[in-house]
Amino acid sequence: EVQLVDSGGGLVQPGNSLRLSCAASGFSFSGYSMNWVRQAPGKGLEWVSYISSSSSTIYYADSVQGRFIISRDNAKNLVYLQMNSLRAEDTAVYYCARALGYLDWLDLWGPGTQVTVSS
Amino acid sequence: EVVLTQSPGTLSLSPGERATLSCRASQSLSRGYLAWYQQKPGQAPRLLIYGASRGATGISDRFSGSGSGTDFTLTISRLEPEDFAVYYCQQYDHSPLTFGGGTKVE
Repeated sequence: EVQLVDSGGGLVQPGNSLRLSCAASGFSFSGYSMNWVRQAPGKGLEWVSYISSSSSTIYYADSVQGRFIISRDNAKNLVYLQMNSLRAEDTAVYYCARALGYLDWLDLWGPGTQVTVSS
Repeated sequence: EVVLTQSPGTLSLSPGERATLSCRASQSLSRGYLAWYQQKPGQAPRLLIYGASRGATGISDRFSGSGSGTDFTLTISRLEPEDFAVYYCQQYDHSPLTFGGGTKVE
């Protein structure tokens, strides 16, 4: 089955760190770019970060630039989001999503993982 | 960044009716790089339309997209019970990727 499964969310205090993972299966992972998109409670969708198939190109939203790091391991079919210096406004469901390139549609999404930043 | 404004915020309709959702961009999407997604409560978004008018794999032909430049439309020809959800547009014509605020079809 073609799918993405995100994990690693949880409750974390402001200023702390968390690492999200997204496991891909059922398709040639190394041939696709990956994104992280988040959704704050009751809000819309916000693109967070992008990594190309070979990890050669990486982009971040201004809101997370300098705090979040995206990476991938094509041998393990995994993509990660290392989130540092977390703030209350980072509270959201985080989705990994597949694309062919950066300026592209997102054709496959994981079920999401909840991140709550609170003291 | 490109701001996408979706209207109306909420659309109240009955099964069998036609739904027309609007997405307006703050600058021209000259390549027509606009997608539509459906999201149900507690679920991830699902791709419906890309390239403004191309149906994603496995999507019912009840869903159709149209538009160009700054004005785009998603039409659901005859609402089925499973179509009641929130719909988002997303542009990938300009960096960064941006999404509209969503239209709830209830």
